[in-house]
Amino acid sequence: GNSVTQMEGPVTLSEEAFLTINCTYTATGYPSLFWYVQYPGEGLQLLLKATKADDKGSNKGFEATYRKETTSFHLEKGSVQVSDSAVYFCARAEGQGFSFIFGKGTRLLVKP
Amino acid sequence: SQTIHQWPATLVQPVGSPLSLECTVEGTSNPNLYWYRQAAGRGLQLLFYSVGIGQISSEVPQNLSASRPQDRQFILSSKKLLLSDSGFYLCAWRQAGTEAFFGQGTRLTVV
Repeated sequence: GNSVTQMEGPVTLSEEAFLTINCTYTATGYPSLFWYVQYPGEGLQLLLKATKADDKGSNKGFEATYRKETTSFHLEKGSVQVSDSAVYFCARAEGQGFSFIFGKGTRLLVKP
Repeated sequence: SQTIHQWPATLVQPVGSPLSLECTVEGTSNPNLYWYRQAAGRGLQLLFYSVGIGQISSEVPQNLSASRPQDRQFILSSKKLLLSDSGFYLCAWRQAGTEAFFGQGTRLTVV
């Protein structure tokens, strides 16, 4: 079936470290892909997105590239900050359909 | 611009009591609407979605129900809450082909 798999957390990093959170997906078609961020006690906010193969989404120093050949959409940031501590969710949506599926989320903790 | 309102923000209810959580969307028409639940230490579980007024699809069988009495109103209900219903409930909307936009969530604690 269609699903999203992301790496287990928590991920603990020191400030200014490099971040990678892996995300892979399965889909029958060509889904749009998203990363959302959830700060404590809040709803989800869209961080970035990509709608077709080789697209790169970027925002606030975060980047993710839609890799059709590896069905991946890994989230990266060159230098994390304490304020980046949150839960990150990878998600996929099929074209014009209703389906909007999330991974289980990865908690990131950045220490000063 | 579009906005989504979800209330209440927090709720403490005894086991066996009823539940009603409301979500409304402004600034868009005929959105797809979603209810998700996030249990402690777990990911987002899709509970219900709706593509139009009166059209509800359930993803997970349980003692919750949903209704869409108006185009931009989505209600999550229960007749009798269980302890296992505790969690963080999120409402979301999207138009086909776009990203989903989320409300601020309702923290439900069943005691």
